[in-house]
Amino acid sequence: EVQLVESGGGLVKSGGSLRLSCAASGFTFSSYTMLWVRQAPGKGLEWVSSINGNSAYLYYRAPLEGRFTISRDNSKNSLYLQMGGLRAEDTAVYYCAREKDSDSHTLDLWGRGTLVTVSS
Amino acid sequence: IVMTQSPLSLPVTPGEPASISCRSSQSLLHINGNNYLDWYVQKPGQSPQLLIYLGFIRASGVPDRFSGSGSGTDFTLEISRVEAEDVGVYYCMQGLQFWTFGHGTNVEI
Repeated sequence: EVQLVESGGGLVKSGGSLRLSCAASGFTFSSYTMLWVRQAPGKGLEWVSSINGNSAYLYYRAPLEGRFTISRDNSKNSLYLQMGGLRAEDTAVYYCAREKDSDSHTLDLWGRGTLVTVSS
Repeated sequence: IVMTQSPLSLPVTPGEPASISCRSSQSLLHINGNNYLDWYVQKPGQSPQLLIYLGFIRASGVPDRFSGSGSGTDFTLEISRVEAEDVGVYYCMQGLQFWTFGHGTNVEI
């Protein structure tokens, strides 16, 4: 089955760190650009970071660069998001998503998300 | 690129048509002729799912009552005859410069 499954979310204190994981299955993971998208409680969707298939190109939402690090391990079909210096405003459900192809930049596959709660 | 949707809330009646507008702060029309505009729906308790990509192409399995149109900075998602299962929050998203979403339109019966 083609799917993405996130894990690693939880409750963390302000200033703390957390590492999210996304396990991919059912497709050739290394061929796809992958993204993290987050959704604060009751709010809309916000792109966080992206990484291409061979990890040559990493991009971040401007305010997050320096605190968040995206990575992947194609041998394990896994995507990661290392988050540091966490703040209350980072509280959100974090989704991993797959870019359909470089021609469309469409996100055609989403995981169910993992909730990160940052307490003060 | 800033994405602006309207309305933010849309009461609908089953069997009736519905329409959502999306406007971008910059043209999403690429020199290759593609408009990098997608539509997603997030049904209650679920993750977002793709409906329409490149402005007008229905994703696999999406009913033909959904259609997308528009070019440049103005786009529209139309549902020809709303069904109860269409309830959810609809987002437009631009993929021309990274990814930016509209604030969402809450479609409710």
